[in-house]
Amino acid sequence: GQQLNQSPQSMFIQEGEDVSMNCTSSSIFNTWLWYKQDPGEGPVLLIALYKAGELTSNGRLTAQFGITRKDSFLNISASIPSDVGIYFCAGRQTSTSGSRLTFGEGTQLTVNP
Amino acid sequence: GAVVSQHPSWVICKSGTSVKIECRSLDFQATTMFWYRQFPKQSLMLMATSNEGSKATYEQGVEKDKFLINHASLTLSTLTVTSAHPEDSSFYICSARDPRLAGRNEQFFGPGTRLTVL
Repeated sequence: GQQLNQSPQSMFIQEGEDVSMNCTSSSIFNTWLWYKQDPGEGPVLLIALYKAGELTSNGRLTAQFGITRKDSFLNISASIPSDVGIYFCAGRQTSTSGSRLTFGEGTQLTVNP
Repeated sequence: GAVVSQHPSWVICKSGTSVKIECRSLDFQATTMFWYRQFPKQSLMLMATSNEGSKATYEQGVEKDKFLINHASLTLSTLTVTSAHPEDSSFYICSARDPRLAGRNEQFFGPGTRLTVL
């Protein structure tokens, strides 16, 4: 099946620092999505990317859809304590049988005040 | 908008019993719902995709007779874990999608249900 390699696996940073994480794959995706999951909760969509090369921001978050359509990155600027959580990338492929999301393994972010 | 709820939030049951988990789209009609399971510190693994009014499509390795999915209406899907065993203990998350909504072609996730089988 499809695999998404997400890195880093975890990060420990100081409040105010910037954060960058990325996902890569050997497969091409039509859509890249970034989610945040808090403990005991479902994932919440942060940013959706639909075109190769697209760069989209949502507040302090910026994500890009790689030109090759095989990768994406998420940046968080000026981190704050509430940014703590697990961030998942997800790639979507659409075919005649429907669409399917494949999730990365997640990046655990810890922000020290 | 695009709120998805799950019930119950958590459930503890004895081995051998069946457990039903509900997933509801509260403010939109979900033509497609997805069921995932997530083990601690791991990613979400898709179990099955269900389209309203038709049989669910299960991922390879997921027992359809053990994980019964019913998507009888545009706002409700249920997952029944039959004859649950301790290895079925997990965090089950549903998501819902309505591709007919312009600009809302994404999956919106429920808050999850924590199942513990003793």
